[in-house]
Amino acid sequence: AQSVTQLGSHVSVSEGALVLLRCNYSSSVPPYLFWYVQYPNQGLQLLLKYTSAATLVKGINGFEAEFKKSETSFHLTKPSAHMSDAAEYFCAVSGQTGANNLFFGTGTRLTVIP
Amino acid sequence: NAGVMQNPRHLVRRRGQEARLRCSPMKGHSHVYWYRQLPEEGLKFMVYLQKENIIDESGMPKERFSAEFPKEGPSILRIQQVVRGDSAAYFCASSPSGGPVETQYFGPGTRLLVL
Repeated sequence: AQSVTQLGSHVSVSEGALVLLRCNYSSSVPPYLFWYVQYPNQGLQLLLKYTSAATLVKGINGFEAEFKKSETSFHLTKPSAHMSDAAEYFCAVSGQTGANNLFFGTGTRLTVIP
Repeated sequence: NAGVMQNPRHLVRRRGQEARLRCSPMKGHSHVYWYRQLPEEGLKFMVYLQKENIIDESGMPKERFSAEFPKEGPSILRIQQVVRGDSAAYFCASSPSGGPVETQYFGPGTRLLVL
């Protein structure tokens, strides 16, 4: 079975501050991990994904995430928050043999304070 | 290259009516996934289809819900005799091939409100 836990349903940061969104996964097989961003009333857009090629994954809009197997984590970071980063962020996992669907966390709403 | 298209974007139905949600995948994509997002929750997988075939419907409610992806035309998610608990955002995603590592590209969603 696979699942994802996102700690902190709401995160607020000041503009220019570090963004850290937490994601821990549970998987009985080597996981593939994804971060998606959702802007209000829109669909999900892929930020980045981990496919076992490299543990540090760089994505769009200056975001990156590090896969840490020992901690079963895949936290999303950005060195300096921008107002346009305000959105909902979802971590997801896949990888179960024979299954193609993604298992999503409950999301973290990021607020950027000017 | 147009993205995943969904229509309608908003749908209002009264209890007992039918809801039909449409999804046109990205050009060249033959794999379609449907997810449901309840208020304040993450997305939950419903069904995975390839052209003319349902591959995995493990997330579909056993009654009232059905999905198809015909040889020609969009994928359809059909909800019969809707109830208030069906109110949610329904997202469609597509990918060029199957497999857990494939990126799924999401449409803007259909927001269903049942009165």
